[in-house]
Amino acid sequence: DIQMTQSPSPLSASIGDRVTITCRASQSISTYLNWYQQKAGKAPNLLIYGASYLQSGAPSRFSGSGSGTDFTLTISSLQPEDFATYFCQQSYSFPYTFGQGTKLEIQ
Amino acid sequence: QVQLVESGGGVVQPGKSLRLSCVAPGLTLSNYALHWVRQAPGKGLEWVSFISYDGSTKYCADSVKGRFSISRDNTENTLYLQMDSLRPEDTAIYYCVRDSTPGFHPWGQGTLVTVSS
Repeated sequence: DIQMTQSPSPLSASIGDRVTITCRASQSISTYLNWYQQKAGKAPNLLIYGASYLQSGAPSRFSGSGSGTDFTLTISSLQPEDFATYFCQQSYSFPYTFGQGTKLEIQ
Repeated sequence: QVQLVESGGGVVQPGKSLRLSCVAPGLTLSNYALHWVRQAPGKGLEWVSFISYDGSTKYCADSVKGRFSISRDNTENTLYLQMDSLRPEDTAIYYCVRDSTPGFHPWGQGTLVTVSS
Protein backbone atom coordinates (compact mmCIF):
# COMPACT_ATOMS: atom_id res chain seq x y z
CA ASP A 1 0.00 0.00 0.00
CA ILE A 2 1.11 3.58 -0.64
CA GLN A 3 1.63 5.53 2.58
CA MET A 4 0.82 9.24 2.63
CA THR A 5 2.51 11.45 5.23
CA GLN A 6 1.47 15.03 5.89
CA SER A 7 3.32 17.76 7.75
CA PRO A 8 3.06 19.73 9.86
CA SER A 9 0.28 18.70 12.16
CA PRO A 10 -1.11 20.75 13.68
CA LEU A 11 -0.33 24.08 12.06
CA SER A 12 -0.91 27.40 13.80
CA ALA A 13 -1.27 30.53 11.70
CA SER A 14 -2.90 33.95 11.59
CA ILE A 15 -5.37 35.66 9.29
CA GLY A 16 -3.53 36.89 6.21
CA ASP A 17 -0.63 34.43 6.53
CA ARG A 18 0.64 32.38 3.64
CA VAL A 19 0.71 28.73 4.70
CA THR A 20 2.01 25.57 3.12
CA ILE A 21 1.10 21.98 3.94
CA THR A 22 3.27 19.16 2.67
CA CYS A 23 2.30 15.65 1.65
CA ARG A 24 4.77 12.89 0.84
CA ALA A 25 3.99 9.56 -0.81
CA SER A 26 5.94 6.40 -0.04
CA GLN A 27 6.38 5.79 -3.78
CA SER A 28 5.86 7.78 -6.95
CA ILE A 29 2.22 8.59 -7.72
CA SER A 30 2.82 10.93 -10.67
CA THR A 31 0.22 13.69 -10.15
CA TYR A 32 -2.55 11.45 -8.78
CA LEU A 33 -2.80 13.55 -5.65
CA ASN A 34 -5.92 15.26 -4.30
CA TRP A 35 -6.50 17.66 -1.41
CA TYR A 36 -9.63 17.90 0.74
CA GLN A 37 -10.81 20.41 3.31
CA GLN A 38 -12.93 19.22 6.22
CA LYS A 39 -14.64 21.59 8.61
CA ALA A 40 -15.79 20.44 12.03
CA GLY A 41 -18.87 18.24 11.85
CA LYS A 42 -18.98 18.30 8.07
CA ALA A 43 -18.04 15.96 5.25
CA PRO A 44 -14.75 16.55 3.42
CA ASN A 45 -14.80 18.72 0.32
CA LEU A 46 -12.53 18.40 -2.72
CA LEU A 47 -10.20 21.40 -3.11
CA ILE A 48 -7.45 20.35 -5.51
CA TYR A 49 -7.29 17.38 -7.87
CA GLY A 50 -4.51 16.08 -10.07
CA ALA A 51 -1.99 17.79 -7.75
CA SER A 52 -2.56 21.29 -9.11
CA TYR A 53 -6.07 21.72 -10.52
CA LEU A 54 -8.47 23.86 -8.52
CA GLN A 55 -11.88 22.27 -8.04
CA SER A 56 -14.77 24.33 -9.35
CA GLY A 57 -16.01 26.65 -6.65
CA ALA A 58 -12.84 26.52 -4.55
CA PRO A 59 -11.30 29.93 -3.78
CA SER A 60 -8.31 30.94 -5.92
CA ARG A 61 -6.15 31.52 -2.82
CA PHE A 62 -5.73 27.73 -2.71
CA SER A 63 -3.11 26.17 -4.97
CA GLY A 64 -1.35 22.83 -5.26
CA SER A 65 1.91 21.68 -6.72
CA GLY A 66 4.22 18.70 -6.96
CA SER A 67 4.66 15.40 -8.71
CA GLY A 68 6.21 12.04 -7.97
CA THR A 69 6.41 11.79 -4.19
CA ASP A 70 6.36 15.37 -2.88
CA PHE A 71 3.36 17.69 -2.94
CA THR A 72 2.28 20.96 -1.37
CA LEU A 73 -0.98 22.76 -0.70
CA THR A 74 -0.61 26.51 -0.34
CA ILE A 75 -3.09 29.06 0.94
CA SER A 76 -1.90 32.46 -0.20
CA SER A 77 -3.69 34.59 2.42
CA LEU A 78 -5.54 32.84 5.23
CA GLN A 79 -9.17 33.73 5.74
CA PRO A 80 -11.26 32.92 8.84
CA GLU A 81 -13.18 30.22 6.97
CA ASP A 82 -9.95 28.37 6.09
CA PHE A 83 -9.38 27.09 9.61
CA ALA A 84 -10.16 23.42 9.13
CA THR A 85 -8.43 20.06 8.65
CA TYR A 86 -6.78 19.27 5.33
CA PHE A 87 -6.19 15.80 3.94
CA CYS A 88 -4.16 14.64 0.97
CA GLN A 89 -5.12 11.47 -0.91
CA GLN A 90 -3.49 9.37 -3.58
CA SER A 91 -5.67 8.02 -6.38
CA TYR A 92 -2.82 6.30 -8.23
CA SER A 93 -3.56 2.76 -7.09
CA PHE A 94 -5.91 0.84 -4.82
CA PRO A 95 -6.20 0.95 -1.89
CA TYR A 96 -6.57 4.69 -2.22
CA THR A 97 -4.96 6.16 0.89
CA PHE A 98 -5.20 9.44 2.77
CA GLY A 99 -2.69 11.39 4.77
CA GLN A 100 -3.32 11.64 8.50
CA GLY A 101 -4.61 15.21 8.16
CA THR A 102 -3.30 18.66 9.04
CA LYS A 103 -5.38 20.70 11.43
CA LEU A 104 -4.99 24.40 10.70
CA GLU A 105 -5.50 26.35 13.90
CA ILE A 106 -5.78 30.03 14.70
CA GLN A 107 -2.60 31.36 16.28
CA GLN B 1 -26.18 20.85 -6.59
CA VAL B 2 -25.50 17.13 -6.55
CA GLN B 3 -26.16 15.50 -3.21
CA LEU B 4 -25.56 12.02 -1.92
CA VAL B 5 -27.64 10.81 1.00
CA GLU B 6 -26.60 7.88 3.18
CA SER B 7 -28.83 5.93 5.54
CA GLY B 8 -28.83 2.75 7.58
CA GLY B 9 -26.41 3.64 10.34
CA GLY B 10 -27.09 2.96 13.99
CA VAL B 11 -25.94 1.11 17.08
CA VAL B 12 -25.19 -2.57 16.63
CA GLN B 13 -23.59 -5.27 18.79
CA PRO B 14 -20.23 -6.80 17.86
CA GLY B 15 -20.62 -9.69 15.43
CA LYS B 16 -23.88 -8.39 14.03
CA SER B 17 -24.66 -7.02 10.57
CA LEU B 18 -25.81 -3.72 9.10
CA ARG B 19 -26.54 -2.53 5.58
CA LEU B 20 -25.90 1.03 4.54
CA SER B 21 -27.60 2.67 1.56
CA CYS B 22 -26.78 5.73 -0.53
CA VAL B 23 -29.08 7.53 -2.94
CA ALA B 24 -28.63 10.67 -5.01
CA PRO B 25 -31.84 12.54 -5.74
CA GLY B 26 -31.59 14.14 -9.14
CA LEU B 27 -28.43 12.29 -10.16
CA THR B 28 -28.20 9.12 -12.20
CA LEU B 29 -25.73 7.09 -10.17
CA SER B 30 -25.40 4.45 -12.89
CA ASN B 31 -23.12 6.81 -14.81
CA TYR B 32 -20.50 6.87 -12.06
CA ALA B 33 -18.14 4.75 -10.05
CA LEU B 34 -18.66 5.11 -6.31
CA HIS B 35 -16.78 4.65 -3.05
CA TRP B 36 -17.38 4.24 0.65
CA VAL B 37 -15.00 6.12 2.96
CA ARG B 38 -15.14 6.06 6.76
CA GLN B 39 -13.90 8.21 9.59
CA ALA B 40 -13.62 6.98 13.14
CA PRO B 41 -14.48 9.56 15.83
CA GLY B 42 -11.76 12.19 15.98
CA LYS B 43 -9.62 10.33 13.44
CA GLY B 44 -8.62 10.59 9.80
CA LEU B 45 -10.20 9.28 6.62
CA GLU B 46 -10.03 5.63 5.58
CA TRP B 47 -11.04 4.44 2.13
CA VAL B 48 -13.26 1.36 2.48
CA SER B 49 -14.54 0.15 -0.88
CA PHE B 50 -14.99 0.93 -4.60
CA ILE B 51 -17.47 -0.21 -7.23
CA SER B 52 -17.39 0.58 -10.94
CA TYR B 53 -20.33 2.23 -12.70
CA ASP B 54 -21.76 -1.12 -13.80
CA GLY B 55 -20.80 -3.14 -10.73
CA SER B 56 -18.35 -5.33 -12.62
CA THR B 57 -15.28 -4.20 -10.67
CA LYS B 58 -15.02 -4.00 -6.89
CA TYR B 59 -12.20 -3.38 -4.45
CA CYS B 60 -12.11 -3.16 -0.68
CA ALA B 61 -9.65 -2.37 2.04
CA ASP B 62 -7.85 -5.21 3.77
CA SER B 63 -9.36 -4.10 7.08
CA VAL B 64 -12.86 -5.05 5.87
CA LYS B 65 -12.11 -7.76 3.31
CA GLY B 66 -14.29 -10.83 3.80
CA ARG B 67 -16.68 -8.92 6.09
CA PHE B 68 -17.96 -5.97 4.03
CA SER B 69 -19.46 -6.15 0.55
CA ILE B 70 -20.22 -3.26 -1.81
CA SER B 71 -23.00 -3.48 -4.36
CA ARG B 72 -25.29 -1.28 -6.37
CA ASP B 73 -28.73 -1.44 -7.91
CA ASN B 74 -28.75 0.90 -10.87
CA THR B 75 -32.45 0.33 -11.47
CA GLU B 76 -33.06 1.69 -7.96
CA ASN B 77 -30.27 4.29 -8.27
CA THR B 78 -28.83 3.04 -4.98
CA LEU B 79 -25.43 2.08 -3.58
CA TYR B 80 -25.09 -0.39 -0.71
CA LEU B 81 -22.52 -1.48 1.84
CA GLN B 82 -23.30 -4.78 3.55
CA MET B 83 -21.33 -4.97 6.76
CA ASP B 84 -21.11 -8.35 8.51
CA SER B 85 -19.19 -9.53 11.58
CA LEU B 86 -18.94 -5.96 12.82
CA ARG B 87 -16.20 -5.05 15.27
CA PRO B 88 -15.84 -2.12 17.68
CA GLU B 89 -13.08 -0.73 15.44
CA ASP B 90 -15.64 -0.38 12.62
CA THR B 91 -17.28 2.43 14.60
CA ALA B 92 -17.18 5.44 12.28
CA ILE B 93 -19.07 7.84 10.10
CA TYR B 94 -19.49 6.19 6.71
CA TYR B 95 -19.52 8.44 3.65
CA CYS B 96 -20.76 7.64 0.18
CA VAL B 97 -18.67 9.44 -2.45
CA ARG B 98 -18.78 9.79 -6.20
CA ASP B 99 -15.62 9.02 -8.11
CA SER B 100 -15.06 12.18 -10.14
CA THR B 101 -11.63 10.95 -11.30
CA PRO B 102 -9.20 11.95 -10.27
CA GLY B 103 -10.82 13.13 -7.05
CA PHE B 104 -13.78 12.24 -4.85
CA HIS B 105 -16.71 14.64 -5.27
CA PRO B 106 -19.28 15.13 -3.93
CA TRP B 107 -19.50 13.49 -0.53
CA GLY B 108 -22.65 12.58 1.30
CA GLN B 109 -23.32 13.90 4.80
CA GLY B 110 -22.39 10.51 6.27
CA THR B 111 -24.14 7.99 8.49
CA LEU B 112 -22.82 6.98 11.90
CA VAL B 113 -22.24 3.33 12.72
CA THR B 114 -21.54 2.48 16.34
CA VAL B 115 -20.48 -1.06 17.23
CA SER B 116 -20.88 -1.62 20.93
CA SER B 117 -22.28 -4.12 23.35
